[in-house]
Amino acid sequence: EDKVVQSPLSLVVHEGDTVTLNCSYEVTNFRSLLWYKQEKKAPTFLFMLTSSGIEKKSGRLSSILDKKELFSILNITATQTGDSAIYLCAVETGTASKLTFGTGTRLQVTL
Amino acid sequence: DAGVTQSPTHLIKTRGQQVTLRCSPISGHKSVSWYQQVLGQGPQFIFQYYEKEERGRGNFPDRFSARQFPNYSSELNVNALLLGDSALYLCASSLTAGGNSPLHFGNGTRLTVT
Repeated sequence: EDKVVQSPLSLVVHEGDTVTLNCSYEVTNFRSLLWYKQEKKAPTFLFMLTSSGIEKKSGRLSSILDKKELFSILNITATQTGDSAIYLCAVETGTASKLTFGTGTRLQVTL
Repeated sequence: DAGVTQSPTHLIKTRGQQVTLRCSPISGHKSVSWYQQVLGQGPQFIFQYYEKEERGRGNFPDRFSARQFPNYSSELNVNALLLGDSALYLCASSLTAGGNSPLHFGNGTRLTVT
């Protein structure tokens, strides 16, 4: 059975801190790894990673994939209160766009 | 540009009833997927449709069914509702089925079964 594990489960930081969120996986037929941000309802797409060692960056967020060690990290620098959300890691497998999600990391950024 | 739209936003049903949830994908997207998200968990895959054909099915009972229409919109049907079906039902669309085409999610339908 495909498995995606995220850590930590929750995190409280102060505005301006840097955070690292972790995602490890054990799946068959890996295609890609995706990160989403979920605030109230719709998970919002952040990154899609398919190749090892290539960092993807968007503003203060960045992510990298290690296909040998089967994990990914999501970094957020200079955190803001608007970064407070649940961050979901998902792995795409098979020929269909089937995503297996982790349970998410709940991030709270305080003033 | 309109994102993925789902209706209704909220729904309250009684055990044993049937429900139909609707989804319109992003314009140009031909694939629609359905996910169930229970409180405190990540979304779980229910179905994927591409070009009106079922391309994948998750570990859900036969009470769950879906279809995709020629305009690529989709419906998810759940029969004989159980209390455990209470969840946020998310629809997602993508350009293709698999490959370098990330899923984009709608705001979901919150289903409560009493």
